[in-house]
Amino acid sequence: AQSVTQLDSQVPVFEEAPVELRCNYSSSVSVYLFWYVQYPNQGLQLLLKYLSGSTLVKGINGFEAEFNKSQTSFHLRKPSVHISDTAEYFCAVSDEVKGANQAGTALIFGKGTTLSVSS
Amino acid sequence: NAGVTQTPKFRVLKTGQSMTLLCAQDMNHEYMYWYRQDPGMGLRLIHYSVGEGTTAKGEVPDGYNVSRLKKQNFLLGLESAAPSQTSVYFCASDLPGVNTEAFFGQGTRLTVV
Repeated sequence: AQSVTQLDSQVPVFEEAPVELRCNYSSSVSVYLFWYVQYPNQGLQLLLKYLSGSTLVKGINGFEAEFNKSQTSFHLRKPSVHISDTAEYFCAVSDEVKGANQAGTALIFGKGTTLSVSS
Repeated sequence: NAGVTQTPKFRVLKTGQSMTLLCAQDMNHEYMYWYRQDPGMGLRLIHYSVGEGTTAKGEVPDGYNVSRLKKQNFLLGLESAAPSQTSVYFCASDLPGVNTEAFFGQGTRLTVV
């Protein structure tokens, strides 16, 4: 089974500074990776996803992530953050799940990174 | 376009009480999921369904039951609530395959006292 490790539980930064949120996944032949954002008291929203092809993936709100197969990483970056980027960020991998007489796929999440942007 | 709708949004239960959380999606998605979110734990899969009439256990299924009688609805039941089930519950849906985007509801904040 796949697993995801988010290396930092909290990342405090000042407004307009660059930020990197780190994510490592367990190795696999094929891997599909996602970053979701959760603003306070809201559901999860997809930021970006890596399915195949270019290892640099661009998402919404100026975020991007780089897939690195040799280091099994999928770090999220933004060159200049805003106060409004304060949120919890989740890295996830899509994996097969096998219940009794039923197989499917589901997202397996990391424990999350809280990004706090201050002025 | 409503997407994924969860009801209720908030609920307080006493230990031993029962309740059902409802998830409805209007995107004709085959797959539906229930997750729970706890501080420092991320989201953990409780149960999932790959189609109408089918359900299966995820990572943390104990104490919960589910039903998928209609394709658009996925119900999560707590027969006898325990304080350990205090959590935020999220429903999600998507199409089959490992490369599809999952859409999430706004969450249900449940407190068991």
